[in-house]
Parts: sequence; structure tokens; C-alpha cells
Amino acid sequence: NAGVTQTPKFQVLKTGQSMTLQCAQDMNHNSMYWYRQDPGMGLRLIYYSASEGTTDKGEVPNGYNVSRLNKREFSLRLESAAPSQTSVYFCASSEGTTGTQYFGPGTRLLVL
Amino acid sequence: AQSVSQHNHHVILSEAASLELGCNYSYGGTVNLFWYVQYPGQHLQLLLKYFSGDPLVKGIKGFEAEFIKSKFSFNLRKPSVQWSDTAEYFCAVNSYNTDKLIFGTGTRLQVFP
Repeated sequence: NAGVTQTPKFQVLKTGQSMTLQCAQDMNHNSMYWYRQDPGMGLRLIYYSASEGTTDKGEVPNGYNVSRLNKREFSLRLESAAPSQTSVYFCASSEGTTGTQYFGPGTRLLVL
Repeated sequence: AQSVSQHNHHVILSEAASLELGCNYSYGGTVNLFWYVQYPGQHLQLLLKYFSGDPLVKGIKGFEAEFIKSKFSFNLRKPSVQWSDTAEYFCAVNSYNTDKLIFGTGTRLQVFP
């Protein structure tokens, strides 16, 4: 039981490049989330998906897109990376109404 | 909008000292409350959670938290910290009818031997 997995673990991009962060969970959870973590700002929700086929914006969605490919997978895409998107990105999934979220190991992204 | 405040941004303690980290939230309805811990270089892990019932909740590694509804607080405590407790601690809240979590900005705890 791997829980929540994320790829890649680390990525360096140049301004304007695009990339997709992958996330998968094997806990049969309906809800999945993408957060970014920045020093002194805690975790901020970028997008979430309450169920397969639905996505909604969180607190900081600008510059990102998401795809809920199926129940297991939820990807985050940066179409044109900017230095302000340098951050650590965490994917999480939840049991639904209980609210307990389980986190992946994170992707450290550096945009030059 | 809901918000979570963690007033202690950085706490430095010696081993065996007692710990209390503050957490206040701003939502008047029924809430679920969480404390997550992030050890250096690792992902967030659930420390403890409160949904209902006894307002004193016990979690892993000797941590506990008390939900005081009248004060909108959910403070984390540990009677005697260890060096291995060095980590960042996040308080989070969600309202009863949603599974979206609102996180506080975190408290960095450093414990020296």
C-alpha cells in the first residue's frame, strides 16, 4: 500500500517552460488536492477534486491547471512557469466527509 | 471566510520542557480540527484529529490537544518534548459539510538536547 505518490521529486524549469506534476493514490479516495508550501505561508490550496470528473479552484489557482484523469490520478500542470511558482508542491487525498487528508512526499520545483 | 491562526511561528525548547502550541480558528459552525506534523525533509503526517466527543484528544508520540469551543481554540500540548520532535506543526480546520482543509501558517519547533 503506497498511499499517495508524486513524480517527479525535484524539477528545475526555466521561465516559460511547461510541466506536469503527477499524483496517484491507491486508497480509493474520492477527493484529491494540490497544495503549494512556501516559507511562512503554510499550505495553500491550488485546486481540488471532490470526485472523478470534477475539479474546483482553491485559494491560489492562477497559473495552474489540473486534470482528474481517473479516481486514482490527479495531475497539476504549469503551462508557462514563472519564478513565483518556485515552491514545494504536495498532493493529498482524503476519505471525504471525515476530512482526514493523506499527503504525498512532495515535488520541489525551482523556476529560474 | 474560514481562517486558522498559529501565533507561535518559531519555538525553541530544551529536551524535557513542556510544549504548548496555539491554534485559533474563525468558523462558528461545526468543525473538524487537525494537527499535522512535518519532520525535516518529509511530507505532512497526521498527528491527531478532533471530530466530536471528548474535547481532549490524544495523538501519536505523546501529543494531545484540547478543543475549547468557546475560545475557538485547539492547542497542541506535550508534557516533555524530545529532540526527535523537532519539526514544523500545522493546525488545520474544515467545516462539517466539506472536506477542504484550511491550514495555519505553521509553527517551527526546535528542540535542543
